[in-house]
Amino acid sequence: AQTVTQSQPEMSVQEAETVTLSCTYDTSENNYYLFWYKQPPSRQMILVIRQEAYKQQNATENRFSVNFQKAAKSFSLKISDSQLGDTAMYFCAFAAENAGNMLTFGGGTRLMVKP
Amino acid sequence: GAGVSQSPSNKVTEKGKDVELRCDPISGHTALYWYRQSLGQGLEFLIYFQGNSAPDKSGLPSDRFSAERTGGSVSTLTIQRTQQEDSAVYLCASSLSGQGTDTQYFGPGTRLTVL
Repeated sequence: AQTVTQSQPEMSVQEAETVTLSCTYDTSENNYYLFWYKQPPSRQMILVIRQEAYKQQNATENRFSVNFQKAAKSFSLKISDSQLGDTAMYFCAFAAENAGNMLTFGGGTRLMVKP
Repeated sequence: GAGVSQSPSNKVTEKGKDVELRCDPISGHTALYWYRQSLGQGLEFLIYFQGNSAPDKSGLPSDRFSAERTGGSVSTLTIQRTQQEDSAVYLCASSLSGQGTDTQYFGPGTRLTVL
């Protein structure tokens, strides 16, 4: 079984600053994928960024980037130039290739971007 | 194109009643997932459909929960004899093929309140 842990229940950041959200996971799988999802108050889960475990290069999507440390089983999300619209719950998630790719989620981090 | 839709948006029911929650996946997506988001348990996988294969029901919490997917498209999650601990947001997601390289797109969820 997989577990995903987000150790920061809440975080805040000033607009335009940079913030890093932490995530660690535990698995015995070799082929897997890691994700960060954003859930604003509207409840709609939106994919922010994804990382294939077999890729060494860290994924980047505009202001969002990850620091993937496979040996340490760590997958942190860095948000640069934070914007008010980034205020949301952020969930780290894991999916194993040979298990139907259903997502195992962490407990979430509530991020508040302050003006 | 239309995203994943779910109905109803909110459902209030009395303990002991049955409820049906509906999910319309993105057209052409063969994989469909149900998740539950509750205060006590966080986000948890419930059931997974892939094409015409038998569904993966490993996440269903009890035999009061069931789901079907008709014609490989619309899915209905049924909860019989609802209990107060069933109160949660029920999220549906779909992906193109269920492969790990696919993104899961989420619907807005149904908030179920059991009185």
